[in-house]
Amino acid sequence: DADVTQTPRNRITKTGKRIMLECSQTKGHDRMYWYRQDPGLGLRLIYYSFDVKDINKGEISDGYSVSRQAQAKFSLSLESAIPNQTALYFCATSESDRANTGELFFGEGSRLTVL
Amino acid sequence: RKEVEQDPGPFNVPEGATVAFNCTYSNSASQSFFWYRQDCRKEPKLLMSVYSSGNEDGRFTAQLNRASQYISLLIRDSKLSDSATYLCVVGPRGYSTLTFGKGTMLLVSP
Repeated sequence: DADVTQTPRNRITKTGKRIMLECSQTKGHDRMYWYRQDPGLGLRLIYYSFDVKDINKGEISDGYSVSRQAQAKFSLSLESAIPNQTALYFCATSESDRANTGELFFGEGSRLTVL
Repeated sequence: RKEVEQDPGPFNVPEGATVAFNCTYSNSASQSFFWYRQDCRKEPKLLMSVYSSGNEDGRFTAQLNRASQYISLLIRDSKLSDSATYLCVVGPRGYSTLTFGKGTMLLVSP
């Protein structure tokens, strides 16, 4: 089983629908992240969380919200999906500063299409 | 100027060739530097960290030039399996949030 698991892996939805992407990890890491990847734009940070009570906006948080339900779970919500939110979404984890090698561990991605 | 810039490529090289990628970054306070590899439609994975003195991992050599604010990756004796997109990644001390370049695509042909 993957250490960082994203569900769903693929989702097609319609404009205006609420969508939740879920991420769970078995690595025991404190830090979790949500990125989106678009062709030609690279990976962009949406939200990140350094522990259960910590939530921070990233570069492109508008239109998104997150919930850190537990150390191992970090979900991303699109309250009212729009077509330009069509993208590949990645969840990632990392260790805390002290032990951090700079390595992010990514899930396999969730491909979201908003029609 | 974008925070982390890379030539998108693609770089088309034959097997066995040596190929080099460069990456420039705009934040002179950056302290952490990495190369990640991403296969098509897959998740990025850490290839190697980049240290001030330069470092090597098998066929891969990474260099950092702080004065000119660029990072390089050299791949020797390219293999077909090296075909991927290489992401330059830069961050502050503590790796709070890393900034990814858009990536350089490498295609190695037989």
